[in-house]
Amino acid sequence: GENVEQHPSTLSVQEGDSAVIKCTYSDSASNYFPWYKQELGKRPQLIIDIRSNVGEKKDQRIAVTLNKTAKHFSLHITETQPEDSAVYFCAANQQRALTFGSGTRLQVQP
Amino acid sequence: NAGVTQTPKFQVLKTGQSMTLQCAQDMNHNSMYWYRQDPGMGLRLIYYSASEGTTDKGEVPNGYNVSRLNKREFSLRLESAAPSQTSVYFCASSEVDPNQPQHFGDGTRLSIL
Repeated sequence: GENVEQHPSTLSVQEGDSAVIKCTYSDSASNYFPWYKQELGKRPQLIIDIRSNVGEKKDQRIAVTLNKTAKHFSLHITETQPEDSAVYFCAANQQRALTFGSGTRLQVQP
Repeated sequence: NAGVTQTPKFQVLKTGQSMTLQCAQDMNHNSMYWYRQDPGMGLRLIYYSASEGTTDKGEVPNGYNVSRLNKREFSLRLESAAPSQTSVYFCASSEVDPNQPQHFGDGTRLSIL
């Protein structure tokens, strides 16, 4: 089945710096890659997603890049703010379900 | 617009007890999912229902059963709870399949003593 690995598990940055989280996947048939943000005690919420027919997608301070040949995709957050502090999960689809990475705890230091 | 609603929000059970977690969505989505979330392990799929009347096993189905009661509702049942099932359970739904965004409920925190 699909296996999604996510790195790093924790990331601490200074406010205003950029943060990058990387994921790799195993199933070459995967074609949908969402990213979720989860604040403490809250539900996961979709922040951006990308499909296999594009290599990059941006939404304000957030961008995702996809390299299908290498089977990896990354989340980029620029000009980080304290409210970006949360756990971020990547995921990849396999048949009719999503497989999630183990999460990255991002802490933005003011 | 409530989205995905889960009940209860918290529950404490004794080993061997049974209970059903309820999930309902009002977005007219076809697909629904149950995940469990344990510390440091992300979200793991227990069962999913691609459409009304169908259910399929996910990564960690042992000890659970599900029912897709109608298009809106998808329940998860623990027949004989075990301490290893202590977790946060999330229900999610999507329009057709996981190529569309999944919307999550607020979760059920379940402790089994």
